[in-house]
Amino acid sequence: QKEVEQDPGPLSVPEGAIVSLNCTYSNSAFQYFMWYRQYSRKGPELLMYTYSSGNKEDGRFTAQVDKSSKYISLFIRDSQPSDSATYLCATHSGGYQKVTFGTGTKLQVIP
Amino acid sequence: GAVVSQHPSRVICKSGTSVKIECRSLDFQATTMFWYRQFPKQSLMLMATSNEGSKATYEQGVEKDKFLINHASLTLSTLTVTSAHPEDSSFYICSASSGTSDSYEQYFGPGTRLTVT
Repeated sequence: QKEVEQDPGPLSVPEGAIVSLNCTYSNSAFQYFMWYRQYSRKGPELLMYTYSSGNKEDGRFTAQVDKSSKYISLFIRDSQPSDSATYLCATHSGGYQKVTFGTGTKLQVIP
Repeated sequence: GAVVSQHPSRVICKSGTSVKIECRSLDFQATTMFWYRQFPKQSLMLMATSNEGSKATYEQGVEKDKFLINHASLTLSTLTVTSAHPEDSSFYICSASSGTSDSYEQYFGPGTRLTVT
């Protein structure tokens, strides 16, 4: 079993839709949860990070963590064609431990 | 946010030759740099972690004699793929951290596409 599971998609939505991206993880030691956006042939860009359970909002993006079910989500409101990219979830247990990435979900927002 | 550059962005080399990839943190001091490899439709695979002035720590299954990492300064790390073979063709991405204990905040470079013919 992978430590972080993520549906690879692809996920296609019309412009303006609400997008829900999800990951599950198995290691209860994970404390930090991140979402990265990666455009084709580019390096990942940190979008959001949260510590422990709860929600965090930044503009059209909301990150949600439920540690009881080991489930992390990223919601994108009013999706735009420029949001088309691969979204990687990632987790980290703190300290000098390595970050564990999901495989990424490819999102396409259709104009 | 912090900026990390990589050079070259893409390189094609012949089998048996060596290739060096540079990773630079442009506006902050990176005490820790990470090297990843990414295959199509797969996640980032951590190859090694390097701290400035010390030897890199390689992940299990990564050959340290094949993938030489040097982190000589707080702004520069290099990855040298020695005696490259076609199976080494991949997307190599570095990231850098300012080295606090909460090392989740990694800033990624744009990646280097290596093709070995």
